Amino acid sequence: AQSVTQLDSHVSVSEGTPVLLRCNYSSSYSPSLFWYVQHPNKGLQLLLKYTSAATLVKGINGFEAEFKKSETSFHLTKPSAHMSDAAEYFCVVSSTYGQNFVFGPGTRLSVLP
Amino acid sequence: DAGITQSPRHKVTETGTPVTLRCHQTENHRYMYWYRQDPGHGLRLIHYSYGVKDTDKGEVSDGYSVSRSKTEDFLLTLESATSSQTSVYFCAISPGGTVQETQYFGPGTRLLVL
Repeated sequence: AQSVTQLDSHVSVSEGTPVLLRCNYSSSYSPSLFWYVQHPNKGLQLLLKYTSAATLVKGINGFEAEFKKSETSFHLTKPSAHMSDAAEYFCVVSSTYGQNFVFGPGTRLSVLP
Repeated sequence: DAGITQSPRHKVTETGTPVTLRCHQTENHRYMYWYRQDPGHGLRLIHYSYGVKDTDKGEVSDGYSVSRSKTEDFLLTLESATSSQTSVYFCAISPGGTVQETQYFGPGTRLLVL
């Protein structure tokens, strides 16, 4: 069985400071991992994905994530938050053929001026 | 943006009435998915399709049915809507459905069942 834990339901940072959104996963097989972002009243947009190549994955808008198998983690980081980063972020694991995308509950990121 | 549209975008209905949501894609992708989004749960898979007339159940399929008669359209039907089905519904597509493939999401349909 697969599962995803997002350790913080809400994270608040000041503009220009680093962002860390935490994700831990459980999977019986080698996982593929994704981060999606959802801005208010919008659909989901892919930020980045890990698929067993480099463990440090770079995504759009300056975000990156590091796959750590020993810690079963895939934390999302950004060096400097921007106001436009305020959104809901979802960590997703997939490790069986095709249909099994399992979403975490989401972390809401607030960026303060 | 992936060519995915959902209709309607907003709907208010009454308990016990049938409701059909439509997902339309212009990407000719093989796989299509229906999810529901509820606070604290992320997105949960309702049904998915791996080809015309080929569908299967997801995690929360009770009370929902789907149909796919054309590659581009995937319909989600609530035969008799209940208040617990008030949610935001997202359609997604992917080219071949392998674990490494990104799923692309539509804009969502907000459904309120009174």
